[in-house]
Amino acid sequence: EVQLVESGGGLVQPGGSLRLSCAASGFTFGNYWMHWVRQVPGKGLVWVSRINNGGSDIVYADFVKGRFTVSRDNARNTLFLQMNSLRAEDTAVYYCTRGNRGPDYWGQGTLVTVSS
Amino acid sequence: DIQMTQSPSSLSAFVGDRVTITCRASQGVGNGLNWYQQKPGKAPKRLIFDISTLQSGVPSRFSGSGSGTEFTLTISSLQPEDSATYHCLQLNAYPWTFGQGTKVEIK
Repeated sequence: EVQLVESGGGLVQPGGSLRLSCAASGFTFGNYWMHWVRQVPGKGLVWVSRINNGGSDIVYADFVKGRFTVSRDNARNTLFLQMNSLRAEDTAVYYCTRGNRGPDYWGQGTLVTVSS
Repeated sequence: DIQMTQSPSSLSAFVGDRVTITCRASQGVGNGLNWYQQKPGKAPKRLIFDISTLQSGVPSRFSGSGSGTEFTLTISSLQPEDSATYHCLQLNAYPWTFGQGTKVEIK
């Protein structure tokens, strides 16, 4: 069974940093592109970033470029999202998703709250 | 960026009704169009990919169609468990963009 389990969310002050992790199991992690998608509670879904299966090709949404960094450790079946210079508008549930043709499986999400 | 406009933003229908949700793209997206279902407090679930390919395990009452800039998700006979919000996603060009969602309620 495919499982994606995010962790690392929480409350952080504006300007602060957080590192999200996504532990993958039930499939060959290194064969799949991975994505981060976020959602303000009660609002729509917003694509954040995509990393290819080897980690050599990464694409970001403009609103996170220069602040967020995606990486992966295929030996540990883990995806990461390093978030720096956080802003109030980054407050959202962050989902880790898998998919070579767009997200298919999704984690349960982790809530990031940016507030003083 | 490609803008995805979904309509309607919400609808209410009876069990057994045929329901259609539309997504219009601001430019062509080829076959890079997926549909997702999301229930409250849960992660989205992929229903359709590549415009019309049904995800394994998804009931056949769900179908997708369209081309170019206009796409539809159809539920042929609405069931109580279909109460959810539905999202389209274009993945033809970065940044990938979602529609704003359509909330489907059962009368």
